Formats: sequence, structure tokens, C-alpha cells
Amino acid sequence: QKEVEQNSGPLSVPEGAIASLNCTYSDRVSQSFFWYRQYSGKSPELIMSIYSNGDKEDGRFTAQLNKASQYVSLLIRDSQPSDSATYLCAVNIGSGGGADGLTFGKGTHLIIQP
Amino acid sequence: DAGVIQSPRHEVTEMGQEVTLRCKPISGHNSLFWYRQTMMRGLELLIYFNNNVPIDDSGMPEDRFSAKMPNASFSTLKIQPSEPRDSAVYFCASSSDNSGYYGYTFGSGTRLTVV
Repeated sequence: QKEVEQNSGPLSVPEGAIASLNCTYSDRVSQSFFWYRQYSGKSPELIMSIYSNGDKEDGRFTAQLNKASQYVSLLIRDSQPSDSATYLCAVNIGSGGGADGLTFGKGTHLIIQP
Repeated sequence: DAGVIQSPRHEVTEMGQEVTLRCKPISGHNSLFWYRQTMMRGLELLIYFNNNVPIDDSGMPEDRFSAKMPNASFSTLKIQPSEPRDSAVYFCASSSDNSGYYGYTFGSGTRLTVV
């Protein structure tokens, strides 16, 4: 059974601070990892992807991956009220047919306090 | 690119009625996924297609649910008869491959309310 676990929150962070979102997954052969942002009443929007161990930076966002610990995180620097949303972690199964696609966590509700 | 297009955006129907949700994937994407999202269960994969062929429908809750993809640019999800517990937001997503390696692009969703 593939699982992706996230703390549901809410996670409250003051404006301008760093928001840290965490995700663990159970499938050791997973190869690609994603963070989606979902505003209330909207659809999930892909904001970050990461495939290798280490850090990947894109503007104010940094994704971190540790395959040995089966752990992926998202850091948001200089948090803005517009970052308030639910953040979904998604993980795919490994290759060799990998037909099961993405498994999503239930999301972490992030609130940026002005 | 217009993205993944779903219709209708909102649907309110009475229990027992047939409901049909529609999806147009991104042109060139050969994989299409139907998800259901509720507060309790999060995003659940119902069924997905690769090159218009249904690959895995193990997430379809019961026989009341059916999905088709007659061509590369159109898919439907049908619920017959509908029940109040089917109330949820239904998302369609498409991708250039079925493994999820490059992630998915979601449509805007259909909010279904069955009364």
C-alpha cells in the first residue's frame, strides 16, 4: 500500500518568516516528487518538482528530498499572505511500468499571518 | 494552451438522477485521470486512461460509476444513479505520460452536490 503522509495543520506562520512543510512516503522505489498548491475552491497547481536527493530552488520556494529517509519537504521563504493555501505532496511509483501514477497526501493547510 | 477543461463547474442534482461530467485534456497529453476530492479522504484516483484505453479503474467506488474516453480529446465520468454520498469535487487531470513522472495538470473541477 503506497502512502504519502502530511501533517494536516493548520500551520500558522508570520508574514516574512520561513514556512516549512513536510511529507513522508512509504514506497522506496518512488522516483519523482511534487508539491501542489491548492487555494480554497480551486484546483491543485503544480509548483515544484524534484527528482534527485538534495535541494532544488525556484524563487522563494525550495524543495528538499532525502530518499534514504523517504522524506520530502517544501520551504517557502519570505512568506506572504498570498501563500496561504493547502499544500499537497505527491509521489509517483518507480519505473518499469510505473502505471500507478501519483499518490497524493491529504495536504497541509498553511496560514500566513499578516 | 487552454489547459484541462472540465464542465460543468457546478452540478446540483437529486438523488437517483444520472450525472455526466466532462473533460477535455491538454492537446498532446496521452494520459487522463479522474480524481474525487473530499475533506475526509483527500484526493482519490478513480480511473485513468492511457492512449484512450482504461488502464486502472480499481478506484471507482462501485458499479454506479463509469468512465469513457472515446477519443484523445474527450472523456466522461458518469454516475447513475447518483447518491448524496457522491457529493464531492471531481477533478480531471492530464499528463504526457501515465507514470506521473512529470506530474499532472488539473482541470478546474466539477463541484457535485446530490440532494
